[in-house]
Amino acid sequence: EPEVTQTPSHQVTQMGQEVILRCVPISNHLYFYWYRQILGQKVEFLVSFYNNEISEKSEIFDDQFSVERPDGSNFTLKIRSTKLEDSAMYFCASLLSGIYEQYFGPGTRLTVT
Amino acid sequence: GQQLNQSPQSMFIQEGEDVSMNCTSSSIFNTWLWYKQDPGEGPVLLIALYKAGELTSNGRLTAQFGITRKDSFLNISASIPSDVGIYFCAGGRAGNMLTFGGGTRLMVKP
Repeated sequence: EPEVTQTPSHQVTQMGQEVILRCVPISNHLYFYWYRQILGQKVEFLVSFYNNEISEKSEIFDDQFSVERPDGSNFTLKIRSTKLEDSAMYFCASLLSGIYEQYFGPGTRLTVT
Repeated sequence: GQQLNQSPQSMFIQEGEDVSMNCTSSSIFNTWLWYKQDPGEGPVLLIALYKAGELTSNGRLTAQFGITRKDSFLNISASIPSDVGIYFCAGGRAGNMLTFGGGTRLMVKP
């Protein structure tokens, strides 16, 4: 069964460093998303991406964040200068056009020290 | 922003018991989704609801999309130990962001 994959599973970085989180969405899906989940809290929307551009973003997704689909399969989230409060699980999700069901990857645990 | 209120926040179950949880919102959604999350993993989709009033089952799980489009419930019948985890409701609109509830943590009674 097709699934969303994410790498790395765990990333430790120092405050101020740049990180890139990678996702491979389900191959025929057209909408892509990033969410984050701070430990013990609910899942929060960051950004949605369709047709090679951002379609929606939340207040969390400030100038330190960017997304890219560099080729036909990968979808990346970059944090330019990480802060301690960026420590969280980051989930990628994808959606097939015309339906509502978003499928989530296993997540990347980002720890900023 | 939009808020989903999910209750209960946590509950203990004994094997064989039925479980019920719900979500309410002040906003209308086009779809309600229910996900289960195990520790350290991503949310796994359980049930998707598309129409107001719709009742949908997936094995021992049953969920309903409220008539007002502002609420949904999830029932689990005859619970088993592997049902433990965190259940999230999420409201959505086609192609757009999902808004998640705070989660219901299901635990097994000692």
